Amino acid sequence: GAGVSQTPSNKVTEKGKYVELRCDPISGHTALYWYRQSLGQGPEFLIYFQGTGAADDSGLPNDRFFAVRPEGSVSTLKIQRTERGDSAVYLCASSLAGMNTEAFFGQGTRLTVV
Amino acid sequence: AQRVTQPEKLLSVFKGAPVELKCNYSYSGSPELFWYVQYSRQRLQLLLRHISRESIKGFTADLNKGETSFHLKKPFAQEEDSAMYYCALSGPGTYKYIFGTGTRLKVLA
Repeated sequence: GAGVSQTPSNKVTEKGKYVELRCDPISGHTALYWYRQSLGQGPEFLIYFQGTGAADDSGLPNDRFFAVRPEGSVSTLKIQRTERGDSAVYLCASSLAGMNTEAFFGQGTRLTVV
Repeated sequence: AQRVTQPEKLLSVFKGAPVELKCNYSYSGSPELFWYVQYSRQRLQLLLRHISRESIKGFTADLNKGETSFHLKKPFAQEEDSAMYYCALSGPGTYKYIFGTGTRLKVLA
């Protein structure tokens, strides 16, 4: 693919439900990031993967949030027992390994918890 | 605390006028600074980074360590520059970005 792909583009779920958001990074990019963007705010870091392992998950807000990247490519962000405050655009980005390299962003998944 | 501040939520200028989008940062160390842009219905993309010292689409940004600023400038705004602009920093030895809240630039005909 030409860029980072995120599915679904929109997700509406009921409070308390479980959701999974998928990210397909650019081929060959070993670094993958998840960010969350609430209305009127800039993207906020959630978690960073280098290969299969989560190198930095310091941005995950609580234990309802979890992300995996089992084969070092596609990643899934999982949110349990969703709350209305989880409503936001979830952005995925990927980059080549290395410090301060350019991150390429996906279009995002707009999650709405009703 | 690590922080990026963009004081203006909205900046409106007329076509052909100069533009300056302000960005100040707080970081204990020497971060790398970036400007990202999001055009309507498009994804967030890198505009420029201070280490490259290049001009992209007529935009430049100079890192002022004394004032901890990284303002984005363009001498003559064009209508196609209308977009959301985010300033971001990345610390040495880290991979994550810290973004500002963004400034929406509207260039009026």
